[in-house]
Amino acid sequence: AQSVTQPDIHITVSEGASLELRCNYSYGATPYLFWYVQSPGQGLQLLLKYFSGDTLVQGIKGFEAEFKRSQSSFNLRKPSVHWSDAAEYFCALKTSYDKVIFGPGTSLSVIP
Amino acid sequence: DVKVTQSSRYLVKRTGEKVFLECVQDMDHENMFWYRQDPGLGLRLIYFSYDVKMKEKGDIPEGYSVSREKKERFSLILESASTNQTSMYLCASSFKYYEQYFGPGTRLTVT
Repeated sequence: AQSVTQPDIHITVSEGASLELRCNYSYGATPYLFWYVQSPGQGLQLLLKYFSGDTLVQGIKGFEAEFKRSQSSFNLRKPSVHWSDAAEYFCALKTSYDKVIFGPGTSLSVIP
Repeated sequence: DVKVTQSSRYLVKRTGEKVFLECVQDMDHENMFWYRQDPGLGLRLIYFSYDVKMKEKGDIPEGYSVSREKKERFSLILESASTNQTSMYLCASSFKYYEQYFGPGTRLTVT
């Protein structure tokens, strides 16, 4: 079965601290994976994507993600969180016919 | 930059009304999608279209229909709005095989 899980529903970090958001997927073929961010009341913005090649991908706003096939994971990281990073983060998996399965999301709160 | 626009940010309709949500993209994308987003349920695909006049049902098509007469425009239609269709509706578009770009969303309230 094809699925995306994000084990953490909500995470709180202090401003300036490092961040890691977890994502696990289930898919029988080579996955195309994405991370999106959604600020309150807004649409989703693409942070980064993995299609193939280098397993460490860089995105916008200082985010990066590492694809680990052996662990079926695609975790999102940022070395130093800013208050403006408070948002909902979605991991997503592209399947056949260009459909995308989204994870349930992780809500990030940042303490000043 | 890719731009996906949605006709309204906020919409309030009465039960039984016919509701049209419009989405326009300016990047000549083949694919367009309609999702609804509800707390605790994430994003669920309602319909998608991979070409003009083509449509495919997503995971929750009941109570909705769509129209794609032009490549840049994808409309979601609620034939007879009900209170359980109160939600955030998100439109997205993409080139074939590539990532999706989202509009700002329409928050629909059905009273």
